[in-house]
Amino acid sequence: DQQVKQNSPSLSVQEGRISILNCDYTNSMFDYFLWYKKYPAEGPTFLISISSIKDKNEDGRFTVFLNKSAKHLSLHIVPSQPGDSAVYFCAASAPGRDDKIIFGKGTRLHILP
Amino acid sequence: DTGVSQNPRHKITKRGQNVTFRCDPISEHNRLYWYRQTLGQGPEFLTYFQNEAQLEKSRLLSDRFSAERPKGSFSTLEIQRTEQGDSAMYLCASSLGWGGMNEQFFGPGTRLTVL
Repeated sequence: DQQVKQNSPSLSVQEGRISILNCDYTNSMFDYFLWYKKYPAEGPTFLISISSIKDKNEDGRFTVFLNKSAKHLSLHIVPSQPGDSAVYFCAASAPGRDDKIIFGKGTRLHILP
Repeated sequence: DTGVSQNPRHKITKRGQNVTFRCDPISEHNRLYWYRQTLGQGPEFLTYFQNEAQLEKSRLLSDRFSAERPKGSFSTLEIQRTEQGDSAMYLCASSLGWGGMNEQFFGPGTRLTVL
């Protein structure tokens, strides 16, 4: 049972344009959402997060939007750069003592020259 | 480099052998997590430690798997009598813990291949 769903296995975007990666979740107890970026042969790298009390968080070229009523979040990257080509994982955690993170399956982003 | 380190990076073993992986977390982090990632999937939680105490284990962690963090610093993950289905990337992560700081910092992983 996938609690965090990334329905697009891959996405291709022209360099300089906006990349939008989507994520849906089913567990209404999730209160913290994260995006990780992964290059081949490396571990995931934390990118940006958002608490459920917010609907937007911005960090440089990266913005995460949260729509709690739709149980949907998205990551916007603008402008997209070649170095953004990677696998992006959406992840979520519920309140509790373990901060266990539940990951989606990932979306592979290709930035085209 | 003060990031999370894992050794070995790659391990090839024959079915039925035992393997052990090591993780060294970021030094001031008191939480340490183990995840497993198979092809086409995101990382899946296996277990975690708060200092030296192992506080939760996933149902994915069969009896053949054991993890330790004896002094609350580095951790080891042992798989006994390996099976081909154990082939995966084993990821370690660490975090500071409570206070809304859920960000976990991952190591590069150990890729296990069971022949």
